[in-house]
Amino acid sequence: DSGVTQTPKHLITATGQRVTLRCSPRSGDLSVYWYQQSLDQGLQFLIQYYNGEERAKGNILERFSAQQFPDLHSELNLSSLELGDSALYFCASSQQQTSTDTQYFGPGTRLTVL
Amino acid sequence: EDQVTQSPEALRLQEGESSSLNCSYTVSGLRGLFWYRQDPGKGPEFLFTLYSAGEEKEKERLKATLTKKESFLHITAPKPEDSATYLCAVQKGGSEKLVFGKGTKLTVNP
Repeated sequence: DSGVTQTPKHLITATGQRVTLRCSPRSGDLSVYWYQQSLDQGLQFLIQYYNGEERAKGNILERFSAQQFPDLHSELNLSSLELGDSALYFCASSQQQTSTDTQYFGPGTRLTVL
Repeated sequence: EDQVTQSPEALRLQEGESSSLNCSYTVSGLRGLFWYRQDPGKGPEFLFTLYSAGEEKEKERLKATLTKKESFLHITAPKPEDSATYLCAVQKGGSEKLVFGKGTKLTVNP
């Protein structure tokens, strides 16, 4: 158990809908990262938050957004869902206090868009 | 553009048959190279971080090594419970994001 929690574990929804994925980082970790894992693309970095502020953006679609709250949990919002958005979404967290910045991953949310 | 290529894509071993997985990378200013293990439907589990060429780290039957262009994950006398997908990722200086390879799916048969 990495200490990172994600809810829900599974999500099934229809095209055009909007969903919210939630992540709680390990105790003491200030950074939260979101990754998408699909069969053909592998793990792709989406976005990073550090202590409530957006820190880095990857290949995140404009239909997707995220935020990190004062208690450091984070939410990833996916809107106008398409079939191709079906994937595993992982959250990771790290302390980011030193250069040895290991990211620990949560169990993921499996999103299925029908 | 930063790139990570893992080979082979899949590897089948008999229990006790040692082998190595390869991770080739192209990144400007490597900050760290990470190995993770991922079981089906689960999140990646951290194994090792390597920072500079020549560095080696070991954990049970696993040993990771790093050169300027690639990393190897050596598996000695593997057991069926070592079956998983092994992911390699790089982190460049000035960035915290990880760039992952597509992984090597290892199957160890009893």
